[in-house]
Amino acid sequence: AQTVTQSQPEMSVQEAETVTLSCTYDTSESDYYLFWYKQPPSRQMILVIRQEAYKQQNATENRFSVNFQKAAKSFSLKISDSQLGDAAMYFCAYRVNNDMRFGAGTRLTVKP
Amino acid sequence: DAGITQSPRHKVTETGTPVTLRCHQTENHRYMYWYRQDPGHGLRLIHYSYGVKDTDKGEVSDGYSVSRSKTEDFLLTLESATSSQTSVYFCAISGRGGTATSYEQYFGPGTRLTVT
Repeated sequence: AQTVTQSQPEMSVQEAETVTLSCTYDTSESDYYLFWYKQPPSRQMILVIRQEAYKQQNATENRFSVNFQKAAKSFSLKISDSQLGDAAMYFCAYRVNNDMRFGAGTRLTVKP
Repeated sequence: DAGITQSPRHKVTETGTPVTLRCHQTENHRYMYWYRQDPGHGLRLIHYSYGVKDTDKGEVSDGYSVSRSKTEDFLLTLESATSSQTSVYFCAISGRGGTATSYEQYFGPGTRLTVT
């Protein structure tokens, strides 16, 4: 079975600094998708960034970027110029067909 | 905003009673999903639907059933609620326009269910 591991239950960052959240996954598939979702206190799940496994180029969305290492099965999220509004739970997710697996989440605190 | 709503948003019920949660979408997405979120587990897939009357089980389907009689609505039923089913339930959709090519999932606001 596919599993997703987020080894950092909590992280903190100073406003305007950079932070990296870690994610590893276990799979025997070669074609899959990876995602990072943000969940603020409102509980809404918000898609932050996505990566297709067949693409070698790392995805970037404004201040958010990923470091995708397929051989190592690693998918980390880098947040640059952190803002107070980035404070939330962040979930890494892996999808093959309709099977979507989530990690347990990393709680990010942003200090002013 | 993917046009997805859930009802009710909060519910408290007693052990042994039936409960139905509703997910409604306005975007003609082909796929619909039900997840539960518990501390330390992230989100786990309960059931999903790939079309009207077409459903399949997910990772944690025991004790749950689903139905989809219209494209817009996906119902999750707990036939006899138990305390272990206290959780936050999320609906998600993907496959805009009825296609299978969209792999992103968009989530509803969630329903907090408490079984006493």
